[in-house]
Amino acid sequence: DSGVTQTPKHLITATGQRVTLRCSPRSGDLSVYWYQQSLDQGLQFLIQYYNGEERAKGNILERFSAQQFPDLHSELNLSSLELGDSALYFCASSAQASGSGEQYFGPGTRLTVT
Amino acid sequence: AQSVTQPDIHITVSEGASLELRCNYSYGATPYLFWYVQSPGQGLQLLLKYFSGDTLVQGIKGFEAEFKRSQSSFNLRKPSVHWSDSAEYFCAVGMFSGGYNKLIFGAGTRLAVHP
Repeated sequence: DSGVTQTPKHLITATGQRVTLRCSPRSGDLSVYWYQQSLDQGLQFLIQYYNGEERAKGNILERFSAQQFPDLHSELNLSSLELGDSALYFCASSAQASGSGEQYFGPGTRLTVT
Repeated sequence: AQSVTQPDIHITVSEGASLELRCNYSYGATPYLFWYVQSPGQGLQLLLKYFSGDTLVQGIKGFEAEFKRSQSSFNLRKPSVHWSDSAEYFCAVGMFSGGYNKLIFGAGTRLAVHP
C-alpha cells in the first residue's frame, strides 16, 4: 500500500459526459501527479501540482483539467468524453516539487467510456 | 526529445531462470532512471532507482540494474525469477528541473514466469 488513495476504482460513463477523479496523496506529500495509461499511448504524464499550484503539464487534452485543494487532495476533471479517453488514470505523490524524490503511485481509476 | 525504449514487449521465462529486461533512454543531461513494476490490477511500485554514484543499483525483491552511460542503457536483472515476478515492468527517466518533476515511461515489458 503506497498511501495514495484514488476514487472511484472503476467508472463507466457515456460519450459526451463529464467525470471527476479524486486523489488523496500520502500524508505529508505536497506534490501530486496525474498519469494516463492506455493501450495505444502507454503511460503518459498529464499534469503536476505542488501545494496547490500547477507546476508542469504533459500531454493533457484541453477537455481535461485538474486542481489541487488546500487539503492537498487533487481532482482530475474529464469532460466531453470520447471513446478514446477510456484508460487507467493514476495519481502519484511525492514530498517535493522537483529533485530526485520518489513518486508513489495510487491503485488507479479505470475509466470506461461507452 | 527525451524518450525511453523497452525493446521487448513480452518475455517468457521458466521459474528459477535468470532475467534481463532491456531499457534504453535518450536524455540530454545526466538521467535519473527508475524501474517500476505493475502487477495485474495494481498501481506501480518502485523497484529501484539510479541518480548518481555506483552504476550497479540494488532494489527490492532481489532485482538489480546497471547504468551504462556509453550504451544509454539501464537494464534490469534478477538471477533467479519466481512465478510471483510475473508482471509488467516499466523503465522511466525522470525530468527534474525548474521546480517540476515528471517521469517519461517506456512502453513496458510484460513478463510471464512459468513454473
